[in-house]
Amino acid sequence: KAGVTQTPRYLIKTRGQQVTLSCSPISGHRSVSWYQQTPGQGLQFLFEYFSETQRNKGNFPGRFSGRQFSNSRSEMNVSTLELGDSALYLCASSPGTGGTEAFFGQGTRLTVV
Amino acid sequence: AQRVTQPEKLLSVFKGAPVELKCNYSYSGSPELFWYVQYSRQRLQLLLRHISRESIKGFTADLNKGETSFHLKKPFAQEEDSAMYYCARGPMDSNYQLIWGAGTKLIIKP
Repeated sequence: KAGVTQTPRYLIKTRGQQVTLSCSPISGHRSVSWYQQTPGQGLQFLFEYFSETQRNKGNFPGRFSGRQFSNSRSEMNVSTLELGDSALYLCASSPGTGGTEAFFGQGTRLTVV
Repeated sequence: AQRVTQPEKLLSVFKGAPVELKCNYSYSGSPELFWYVQYSRQRLQLLLRHISRESIKGFTADLNKGETSFHLKKPFAQEEDSAMYYCARGPMDSNYQLIWGAGTKLIIKP
């Protein structure tokens, strides 16, 4: 079974730009969660999607948004990038019902300059 | 608030010494608890979960409901254990998200 795939692996953007990150979950998994990971803050939950619906949302500004497609693939978008958005963005998939173990992708390293 | 607490941001021990990474959770029911590990340049991955009661890479974790703790232990640390460790509590009620601790960076000194 293929694991969780995130693209791109690395991104460099300029302040004020917007960015879209992609996540392909494990086949059959319907839940996709997004996290921001920084050395100082650890893992911060962004949002979780299940069957194309956002089920949970963390405490991030509205510049952070996401969506999930019918094939469970998910994207997250960050608009008007700030220097503080530089982080490793992790995607995790899980079956969404019953099993609760999360399977993580390698992450997308976003650097805002 | 539902919370998972890992009181140590950094733990440094010598190779061969015992290791204990602390984790406390705030929910008084019967949560599902996990330890995840992230080795350098690798993805975050599940190390163990309390319901399986197994030992992975020599690590064990016992759920203590009285103390609401789920500490991760290993009797003899190895250099390859150096990594970031996260404790997480499984979804409860209608909240489907995992609740994460802040993480503990474990450094094993030679």
